[in-house]
Amino acid sequence: DAKTTQPTSMDCAEGRAANLPCNHSTISGNEYVYWYRQIHSQGPQYIIHGLKNNETNEMASLIITEDRKSSTLILPHATLRDTAVYYCIVRVGAGNNRKLIWGLGTSLGVNP
Amino acid sequence: KAGVTQTPRYLIKTRGQQVTLSCSPISGHRSVSWYQQTPGQGLQFLFEYFSETQRNKGNFPGRFSGRQFSNSRSEMNVSTLELGDSALYLCASSLAQYGGGELFFGEGSRLTVL
Repeated sequence: DAKTTQPTSMDCAEGRAANLPCNHSTISGNEYVYWYRQIHSQGPQYIIHGLKNNETNEMASLIITEDRKSSTLILPHATLRDTAVYYCIVRVGAGNNRKLIWGLGTSLGVNP
Repeated sequence: KAGVTQTPRYLIKTRGQQVTLSCSPISGHRSVSWYQQTPGQGLQFLFEYFSETQRNKGNFPGRFSGRQFSNSRSEMNVSTLELGDSALYLCASSLAQYGGGELFFGEGSRLTVL
């Protein structure tokens, strides 16, 4: 079962920041949060991941609450090409048993 | 650097048949994992291989199997196909020795079972 809860869909205006929320209230202390996105008819694409601290890369920023029960993915200036399904995922297990548990994601529509 | 390559991209089978899907990982990646994606269930983990050894397995029946070769290429097989096996099968490769992490996905093999 997925360990994350995301809204089914969201809309964002082109050029504005897109803030995608995710709840992971049952996350354990050593479990990472990953974000991927899937553009129609393509395989998922890695965006970013984090454990406790906020993270930023060339694609996005990840804000994790202090209690780690939720996080937000921020696309600072959304473009039409950012229209995709965004998955918030928790990596569970340890060693050889580590794996990603996927939910159904948020379908983000970026409007001109 | 070439990405993850999956073949075939599309295929149609009938119930009871079997199918083999192939995945060539990014050069240098030794970890390969497989996922099944359906509209209602999303991405579900099938299995993961590292250096020809199955490291992890999801909750799928024994009809689903896989293997990895010495060159890291991987195949998965589904026997006695059922209508519910219709799905997009995704392969991902990774540098990481252990599961999860930054995965690089192929475009998938779309299987339709009639």
